[in-house]
Amino acid sequence: GEDVEQSLFLSVREGDSSVINCTYTDSSSTYLYWYKQEPGAGLQLLTYIFSNMDMKQDQRLTVLLNKKDKHLSLRIADTQTGDSAIYFCAEIQNTGTASKLTFGTGTRLQVTL
Amino acid sequence: DSGVTQTPKHLITATGQRVTLRCSPRSGDLSVYWYQQSLDQGLQFLIQYYNGEERAKGNILERFSAQQFPDLHSELNLSSLELGDSALYFCASSEESSGSSGDEQFFGPGTRLTVL
Repeated sequence: GEDVEQSLFLSVREGDSSVINCTYTDSSSTYLYWYKQEPGAGLQLLTYIFSNMDMKQDQRLTVLLNKKDKHLSLRIADTQTGDSAIYFCAEIQNTGTASKLTFGTGTRLQVTL
Repeated sequence: DSGVTQTPKHLITATGQRVTLRCSPRSGDLSVYWYQQSLDQGLQFLIQYYNGEERAKGNILERFSAQQFPDLHSELNLSSLELGDSALYFCASSEESSGSSGDEQFFGPGTRLTVL
């Protein structure tokens, strides 16, 4: 199957860390992505990780990849109210000449004061 | 601003009608992708074009079709519309066709289609 699964909702207090989890299906995916969608807006690529990496850090964002369990997580340090959005993980499936992103169900992050 | 433009921003139409959504990719990008985001189906890949040719097909209905023109803009045509076609339709563009280089897809703001 091609289901990429995420929990639907996460609520954190401002200043705390947020961890958003994702389970993907295609072990041959070369790249895994995290996108952010703010209300009424399109998707913005936050970060991506190559499948031969375990971890990638980019300022407040840390991506962890457990390829054995096909588990991906996004940690946001010092979460701010501006981080409130829906976060999608996505895996890429390549057919050699084409690529297709399969998105997770999305996790709505709510940041409270 | 991703550099990808989509028109119109909102579209309201009736069942049975046909609409055309338009997308202009970022300057220099050869690939265009169409996605549908709905409450019940989530975000789904529909179709990809690269330099005018269809490259990959996802969960696109037969009532839907797309094309990419020589100037690289793309149109998504939705016909015999049903209530369930109400959704946000995103276009994305990237430089290349294959994801083997981690080719980033840049998303447009979307067209919200409401079928009454």
